[in-house]
Amino acid sequence: ERVMTQSPATLSLSPGERATLSCRASHSVSSNLAWYQQKPGQAPRLLIYGASTRATGIPARFSGSGSGTEFTLSISGLQSEDFAVYYCQQYDNWPLTFGGGTKVEIK
Amino acid sequence: QVQLVQSGAEMKRPGASVKVSCKASGYTFNDYYIHWVRQAPGHGLEWMGWINPDTGYTNVAVRFQDRVTVTRDTSSNTAYMEVSGLRYDDSAVYYCARGGEVWVAALDSWGQGTLVTVSS
Repeated sequence: ERVMTQSPATLSLSPGERATLSCRASHSVSSNLAWYQQKPGQAPRLLIYGASTRATGIPARFSGSGSGTEFTLSISGLQSEDFAVYYCQQYDNWPLTFGGGTKVEIK
Repeated sequence: QVQLVQSGAEMKRPGASVKVSCKASGYTFNDYYIHWVRQAPGHGLEWMGWINPDTGYTNVAVRFQDRVTVTRDTSSNTAYMEVSGLRYDDSAVYYCARGGEVWVAALDSWGQGTLVTVSS
């Protein structure tokens, strides 16, 4: 099983700042990595797939990078609606596995 | 537009079973995998399994294989997940999500979630 580790657990930032979230896989997942955003009481929403491709309707301030075992989600110019929990997920290997999440909160 | 609509909240006793439905619309149901993911209160996301609606073939995570059954009804574009032998720690929100045309794909659309509460 691919273990996905996200850091930091919590990121405290102000609106307008840049957020950098990390996700590490225990073994290579190639580029089969997705990022999701989840707000309280809502289902997750796909942001990024293939490690770096934005899903339909996702603003350009969200960008993903990496391959193999190290991945990054960047949010440039945080807006109020971006404060949420973010999860990475690998779909390269069965079973699919998620990271523990990074909460981006208002400083 | 793609839409997945799940059945309503359930409250069950320990040892009972629960069956959650997920009705798909806005796309060709048979062409995309349906996955099931759960989230315990205050916790992260846990993948449970998937079904290929076209073939009916399923793949369930090892830890759930003895208690979870995933099925589908292509006549109504609906997927189902049944959990038997419910335990207190099965209390969670259960989501269905659309995968890709192959199982190696991200989950691009999600249902609204179904809260299952296990309580005596």
